[in-house]
Amino acid sequence: GAGVSQSPSNKVTEKGKDVELRCDPISGHTALYWYRQSLGQGLEFLIYFQGNSAPDKSGLPSDRFSAERTGGSVSTLTIQRTQQEDSAVYLCASSAGGVQETQYFGPGTRLLVL
Amino acid sequence: AQRVTQPEKLLSVFKGAPVELKCNYSYSGSPELFWYVQYSRQRLQLLLRHISRESIKGFTADLNKGETSFHLKKPFAQEEDSAMYYCALQNTGGFKTIFGAGTRLFVKA
Repeated sequence: GAGVSQSPSNKVTEKGKDVELRCDPISGHTALYWYRQSLGQGLEFLIYFQGNSAPDKSGLPSDRFSAERTGGSVSTLTIQRTQQEDSAVYLCASSAGGVQETQYFGPGTRLLVL
Repeated sequence: AQRVTQPEKLLSVFKGAPVELKCNYSYSGSPELFWYVQYSRQRLQLLLRHISRESIKGFTADLNKGETSFHLKKPFAQEEDSAMYYCALQNTGGFKTIFGAGTRLFVKA
C-alpha cells in the first residue's frame, strides 16, 4: 500500500507568515510523529499522536508551533509567525501504534523562511 | 536527560573492510534502541532494532548496558552500504524517540 505522504514537498515563505505542513500516515497506523531536521543536525522530536491525542508535546520548540490530528489520520503541523531559524526539513512518521513499533517515514517537507 | 551521541560525523572505509558506527546513549531506565538508515534519495527507514536481535544486510548491533552503547557493526563493508546512519532511543513503554546526529558512512571501492 501507499507509504507516508507529506505535502508540500517544498515551501518557501517570508518571515512572519504562517505555514501549514500536512502528513498522511499509512492507513491504519494509530501513532504519528513529527520531527525537525535542521541542516547538519539529527532528527529533533517535536510531537507524537496516539489516535487524535498528543500525550507528549514537550518537543515543540515554542508556542508558535502547534499540531493537530483529526479522524485518527491526517495531521497538520502549523508554524505561526515563521522565523528564519524555523528553516529545516520537517519529517513525519507513522507506526502501527504499539509501543516501540517501527516508524515509517515520509519524504519530508523542506521549509525555507526568507 | 535522554541523549544519543554518535561521535563520528563521517566514516570512510574501503570495500571489504570491517565497519563500526558508534552510538552511546544516556537514559535512566531500560530503553529500546534502533538503527535507522537513509540511502541517497530515499526515505529514512529502519535498519534494525535491539529487541529483535536480528542481523539485517549483514549488520548487527549489540547493546552494552555497562558502557551504554549500541554500536553498529558489519564485518565486510559493501559500496551499497554508503548512507547516513542514525541511532535512536525510545523510552520503555513510551513513544518519544530521541535520535543521534547521524554518521555518514562512505564505502570506497
